[in-house]
Amino acid sequence: EAQVTQNPRYLITVTGKKLTVTCSQNMNHEYMSWYRQDPGLGLRQIYYSMNVEVTDKGDVPEGYKVSRKEKRNFPLILESPSPNQTSLYFCASSLSQGAVNEQFFGPGTRLTVL
Amino acid sequence: AQKITQTQPGMFVQEKEAVTLDCTYDTSDQSYGLFWYKQPSSGEMIFLIYQGSYDEQNATEGRYSLNFQKARKSANLVISASQLGDSAMYFCAQTSYDKVIFGPGTSLSVIP
Repeated sequence: EAQVTQNPRYLITVTGKKLTVTCSQNMNHEYMSWYRQDPGLGLRQIYYSMNVEVTDKGDVPEGYKVSRKEKRNFPLILESPSPNQTSLYFCASSLSQGAVNEQFFGPGTRLTVL
Repeated sequence: AQKITQTQPGMFVQEKEAVTLDCTYDTSDQSYGLFWYKQPSSGEMIFLIYQGSYDEQNATEGRYSLNFQKARKSANLVISASQLGDSAMYFCAQTSYDKVIFGPGTSLSVIP
């Protein structure tokens, strides 16, 4: 089954404790992206990757890191989480970069930072 | 900066009626795509419809159609014959070469 998976689905952590949210897709997609969703703000792009070893900042990259060592995986790293990073996070992928391809979304990761 | 505006935070529609959800975008790119996604209360993001900036005809997908007015930079979603299962958040999004911009969303409630 074609899908985007994220782990964990739910995470409660404390300020400053490094964490990684994994994202994997099995569709051989080139483009992958991370978003955070907050009430009233919609989804905001954190980082995106157009291909292996190619990553770039979205609109809200502060406090986050990503890597793209393999085509299928695009982990999101919070080196020192803070309470303002409490949010719902989505990973998404699409066939290629550009204007024409729909994004396939993972199920979301709900993160709470105390 | 590119921006998507959805001016209706919440809307109600009677079952079996049609409803239009507004979306305006702001980009200077010549090539771009416009998407609508649905997010039910369960939280997943569901792709509904796509319109390319060079497409001359409005996109349609079943009960969904996109009213694309390029000069006005608007891409309104029309849902015909609303069903109770259409109750959800709806997000408009615009993509260009690399980034993806989402609007704040519209919460649609379908009344029996």
